[in-house]
Amino acid sequence: GAGVSQSPSNKVTEKGKDVELRCDPISGHTALYWYRQSLGQGLEFLIYFQGNSAPDKSGLPSDRFSAERTGGSVSTLTIQRTQQEDSAVYLCASSRSLMDTEAFFGQGTRLTVV
Amino acid sequence: AQSVSQHNHHVILSEAASLELGCNYSYGGTVNLFWYVQYPGQHLQLLLKYFSGDPLVKGIKGFEAEFIKSKFSFNLRKPSVQWSDTAEYFCAVTAVSGGSYIPTFGRGTSLIVHP
Repeated sequence: GAGVSQSPSNKVTEKGKDVELRCDPISGHTALYWYRQSLGQGLEFLIYFQGNSAPDKSGLPSDRFSAERTGGSVSTLTIQRTQQEDSAVYLCASSRSLMDTEAFFGQGTRLTVV
Repeated sequence: AQSVSQHNHHVILSEAASLELGCNYSYGGTVNLFWYVQYPGQHLQLLLKYFSGDPLVKGIKGFEAEFIKSKFSFNLRKPSVQWSDTAEYFCAVTAVSGGSYIPTFGRGTSLIVHP
């Protein structure tokens, strides 16, 4: 596609429910990143993929968070048993490779846990 | 691992004023440096980047940034801001070797320009 696409753009969920956030990177981009943007907190790195593998999961805030990427393309970030502190904008970015110098961002998914 | 510090969290200026946003990073090795901008309701986009060579980098919309290695700084400047520059600005760093290739971002600076 022309850019990084994320869905849904907005998600309101009840505390305790599971949510899935989707990211469709730019075609051909092998590196994919997930960040969380909370008000006044900047961008918090969550996880990255090189191809389908995620060598570093240390950024995930708890074991309720998981992510996968299939076919070297679409990625899904899953949050289980959501909590109010999970409310944030979840951003996905992709780049041609891990060492490429520019990341292209999607518009994000605004998650609100009520 | 590298880290980024942006000192100004909120900046308010009038049109035509000069702008300088501070960015310092911590990493002892070679780095790539970036400024990203997020206009209201839009996605993050690259403003300018530094890899090597001339430490004064020019980007889009009249922005420039200067890499001062001895100060571990990469401050963003614009001589005369416009109302349309109202946005959130993020500094980011990647390590060329030994550190993390994953972009590490600062907390961001919110710029409001009054017409």
